[in-house]
Amino acid sequence: DTGVSQDPRHKITKRGQNVTFRCDPISEHNRLYWYRQTLGQGPEFLTYFQNEAQLEKSRLLSDRFSAERPKGSFSTLEIQRTEQGDSAMYLCASSLQRLGGSGNTIYFGEGSWLTVV
Amino acid sequence: AQKVTQAQTEISVVEKEDVTLDCVYETRDTTYYLFWYKQPPSGELVFLIRRNSFDEQNEISGRYSWNFQKSTSSFNFTITASQVVDSAVYFCALSEESSGSARQLTFGSGTQLTVLP
Repeated sequence: DTGVSQDPRHKITKRGQNVTFRCDPISEHNRLYWYRQTLGQGPEFLTYFQNEAQLEKSRLLSDRFSAERPKGSFSTLEIQRTEQGDSAMYLCASSLQRLGGSGNTIYFGEGSWLTVV
Repeated sequence: AQKVTQAQTEISVVEKEDVTLDCVYETRDTTYYLFWYKQPPSGELVFLIRRNSFDEQNEISGRYSWNFQKSTSSFNFTITASQVVDSAVYFCALSEESSGSARQLTFGSGTQLTVLP
């Protein structure tokens, strides 16, 4: 399977603990995105990378959240000092942005469910 | 600011019935992209279609068809002869060209479709 893969798929953590999610994008894709989805809502944009550069961060991404894509391949999303409000599904996605191109299609992974108790 | 509205929260149909999912969008851009994604219980967002704002031709793909009308800012999705496997949450999404080549999708809140046998 060459789709976007995420790990772990489910995580239960106690309030105040740190958690890290990993995303492996489709291999030739140079853009990688993180979205968050709460129950009954559509996904909300958090941040995206063009290769290893983090080019945009949403206001939803508080100081407790940090995302990295060190070699322009896989990415990690870390949440420090988790709060109950962080409980959500964290979706990773990737796309191929060609030079001078526009409107690239974003492909999503299956998501990582986080429950903070 | 961009906005996507999916007024139908839940729809139930009996197998083999046709069903239309509504999507209304707001944008100030003249160049934008519209998407539909399917989210089965597994959580993965499955890409269905992308349409740019200059292409108002309706599209048909098997049992799926899409009706894009700029005059009413709508991008509706019809499933013909629905099947139980079509049961999922369907999301409509919008990306504005000014936001940079679909790097950020704005999603509607989704429509839960249940197809009963």
